[in-house]
Amino acid sequence: AQSVAQPEDQVNVAEGNPLTVKCTYSVSGNPYLFWYVQYPNRGLQFLLKYITGDNLVKGSYGFEAEFNKSQTSFHLKKPSALVSDSALYFCAVRDNNAGNMLNFGGGTRLMVKP
Amino acid sequence: EPEVTQTPSHQVTQMGQEVILRCVPISNHLYFYWYRQILGQKVEFLVSFYNNEISEKSEIFDDQFSVERPDGSNFTLKIRSTKLEDSAMYFCASSEGALGYGYTFGSGTRLTVV
Repeated sequence: AQSVAQPEDQVNVAEGNPLTVKCTYSVSGNPYLFWYVQYPNRGLQFLLKYITGDNLVKGSYGFEAEFNKSQTSFHLKKPSALVSDSALYFCAVRDNNAGNMLNFGGGTRLMVKP
Repeated sequence: EPEVTQTPSHQVTQMGQEVILRCVPISNHLYFYWYRQILGQKVEFLVSFYNNEISEKSEIFDDQFSVERPDGSNFTLKIRSTKLEDSAMYFCASSEGALGYGYTFGSGTRLTVV
């Protein structure tokens, strides 16, 4: 079975400060990991993915994520938050032993205050 | 940038009625998906479709649901007899390949069953 946990319902950060949105996962095989962002009344937008290779993955809008196999984590980070980054962020995992479906975490609301 | 298009953006239907949600995936994509998000809950996998047949489906995707690619461009989700608990945001997605490929999601159709 595969699962994803986003332990924080909401993360508050001041504009210009670094941000981290946490994600941990559980899979039986090798994980394919994804981050998506959802703005109000919009669909899910792809941010970045980890398939293989470098543990630090860079994505859209200055976001990056670090794959940590020993901690089974894939935390999303950005060095300097913008107010426009405020949105709902979803981590998702695909288990290469379990088909093609994405299993999503519950989402974390990021609030960046000016 | 290519987009996945979903229509309508919002549909209200009476309990017991049939609804068809429509999606136009990205033209060179081969894999198609439906996910749903009940208000305040996580995004859940419904079904994946490849080579004109269902490749995976979740427990949610019971006999009242069906999918079709009627004309080579549209991808539809039909709910035969809607229930109150079918009220959700339904997202269509497509991907170029399996496993390591990211999805592109549409903006969603908000289905309200009254």
